[in-house]
Amino acid sequence: ETGVTQSPTHLIKTRGQQVTLRCSSQSGHNTVSWYQQALGQGPQFIFQYYREEENGRGNFPPRFSGLQFPNYSSELNVNALELDDSALYLCASSGGPSSGNTIYFGEGSWLTVV
Amino acid sequence: DAKTTQPNSMESNEEEPVHLPCNHSTISGTDYIHWYRQLPSQGPEYVIHGLTSNVNNRMASLAIAEDRKSSTLILHRATLRDAAVYYCASGGSNYKLTFGKGTLLTVNP
Repeated sequence: ETGVTQSPTHLIKTRGQQVTLRCSSQSGHNTVSWYQQALGQGPQFIFQYYREEENGRGNFPPRFSGLQFPNYSSELNVNALELDDSALYLCASSGGPSSGNTIYFGEGSWLTVV
Repeated sequence: DAKTTQPNSMESNEEEPVHLPCNHSTISGTDYIHWYRQLPSQGPEYVIHGLTSNVNNRMASLAIAEDRKSSTLILHRATLRDAAVYYCASGGSNYKLTFGKGTLLTVNP
């Protein structure tokens, strides 16, 4: 049990639609990162939020966007969905040096785009 | 970006030690080395992480090469429950982790 919770666990969307995925970080963790994991691949970094500001971004287009709220929970939004966006989306939280730089992942949200 | 490489698969027998290697030849001086394992349809489970010194916890040990370009995850006595995909990742102070493609560990009874 990592204390990182994600919702929804599974969803199916149609190409061109928009989706919002949610994450609650572990208590006290102020840094949230999002990753995309395609089938059979390792997770790929999308972006990170620290104290409500984007703090680093991977090689993903602008239609991938996010938010972090004052309670450190976070959302990942994907606009104009494409078939290749079908993947497991993972949220990771960390409290930084005060928590030993340990990074914990949630169980993920499975997105299928048809 | 850092590049991380791992063998595609490894096999072990139950109750024997397992050494899972990882190369992170482009790691920077402030990047931590993290290991996770993942079962089908689940998120990555934290195993261990370290910076320069070898690390031990209740799950595993992490041996880090002196030049930090490689590391080895050591499971001291493999059990059937240890069968999973093991991911090595390196990450800097902004906590962006660069993952390898993972090693599928099979444990034979």
